Amino acid sequence: GQNIDQPTEMTATEGAIVQINCTYQTSGFNGLFWYQQHAGEAPTFLSYNVLDGLEEKGRFSSFLSRSKGYSYLLLKELQMKDSASYLCAVLRNFNKFYFGSGTKLNVKP
Amino acid sequence: KAGVTQTPRYLIKTRGQQVTLSCSPISGHRSVSWYQQTPGQGLQFLFEYFSETQRNKGNFPGRFSGRQFSNSRSEMNVSTLELGDSALYLCASSLVGGGLNNEQFFGPGTRLTVL
Repeated sequence: GQNIDQPTEMTATEGAIVQINCTYQTSGFNGLFWYQQHAGEAPTFLSYNVLDGLEEKGRFSSFLSRSKGYSYLLLKELQMKDSASYLCAVLRNFNKFYFGSGTKLNVKP
Repeated sequence: KAGVTQTPRYLIKTRGQQVTLSCSPISGHRSVSWYQQTPGQGLQFLFEYFSETQRNKGNFPGRFSGRQFSNSRSEMNVSTLELGDSALYLCASSLVGGGLNNEQFFGPGTRLTVL
C-alpha cells in the first residue's frame, strides 16, 4: 500500500474544534483528498490539497505539508451531524487513489 | 443532474457463485472507479475505467474483473466467491479521472454478503 495512517477513532464535544491527522508515504504524489462518510452511506468529498498550506471551506479546513507527508482536517464548531468517518486519500500518478482506513469521529453533546 | 447509481443495493450469494454489479456514472463523466470497503481493510481500490479501457488496477486477484460500455456505464464481476469477498462495493465517477479539479462522486454502494 501507500502507508496512509490516520487515527482509528476520536471523540469530541459539540461546539469544540477537532483536528484529524493523516500521514502518508508515496511517490508520484498529486494531491490529498478528505472525504466524509456517514454510517451506511457513500463517501462525500470535503476538500482537496495539492500545494502546501491551508484550504478553508466554511467550518472545515484542510492542511498539507508535502515535505512531511502530512495533512490534517480541522473541524470547527462541531455539530452532532459531524459524527461520521473521515477518510484521507492520496492521489498518485494523477489517476489512482489510495485511501486510509478512516477516522471515526464521535461528537458528544 | 442525477448522481451515481449502483444496482443492486444488496446482494446475498453463496461461496463459489459469481456476481455482477452495475454502476451508472453521472452524465458526462467518463471515468469510473471501483472500490471494496470492509471494516478491517478500509477502502481499497479495485480498478478504474476510462473510455471503455481499464486504465488502472489495484492488487486484487483475477477473480475480480470489470468492463465499461460506450455510454460509460460499468460493471464489475467477481467469480468463485469467497467469504472474504463480503463487503461494500463502491463505484465512483469523475469527469476524466486524475483528481485535479476532477473530484470523485461516489454511488451508494452494493452491499454483498457471501454465505
